[in-house]
Amino acid sequence: GIQVEQSPPDLILQEGANSTLRCNFSDSVNNLQWFHQNPWGQLINLFYIPSGTKQNGRLSATTVATERYSLLYISSSQTTDSGVYFCAVERRGGSEKLVFGKGTKLTVNP
Amino acid sequence: EAQVTQNPRYLITVTGKKLTVTCSQNMNHEYMSWYRQDPGLGLRQIYYSMNVEVTDKGDVPEGYKVSRKEKRNFPLILESPSPNQTSLYFCASGHRGSYEQYFGPGTRLTVT
Repeated sequence: GIQVEQSPPDLILQEGANSTLRCNFSDSVNNLQWFHQNPWGQLINLFYIPSGTKQNGRLSATTVATERYSLLYISSSQTTDSGVYFCAVERRGGSEKLVFGKGTKLTVNP
Repeated sequence: EAQVTQNPRYLITVTGKKLTVTCSQNMNHEYMSWYRQDPGLGLRQIYYSMNVEVTDKGDVPEGYKVSRKEKRNFPLILESPSPNQTSLYFCASGHRGSYEQYFGPGTRLTVT
């Protein structure tokens, strides 16, 4: 099946710092989404981004489908950004199942 | 408000006592799915449904049942829960055709 690798696995930042999270995938995809899992366990949709670039406030994402990777940028990080960030993909020709990476655990210290 | 709802949000039960976790969406989505999340194993798909009366197994279907009698509802049934089904469960929905999927708030299940 399709492989999804996220890096780094852990990231510790001071408030106000910027960061880049990476997601590599091993096959062509129809769907790519970024999620934030908050401390209460909820999965929050950040971006639906099978290709191209999107921005939402301090967050932005870019997917280069031909090179099979996606990047999530967090600027001016805040303590509320802490949690685990997941990349999930749906393989082209698949059954719409999302395959999740193992996530990047982000800790933002005040 | 467009949303996926799950009930209950938290449940502690005993081995063998049948239970149902409900999932409902108000976005007229054709596709619905259940995932479980476990430490070290990540999120794995249990069952999915492409439309009413159409369901199929995901990666870890053993010990679970589902039904899709109405478009908006997709309950997850554990006929005889066991401790290895202790997990965080998520329901998801989306339009068919590889569009964005939306996740419910999660159900934290403990089986003793």
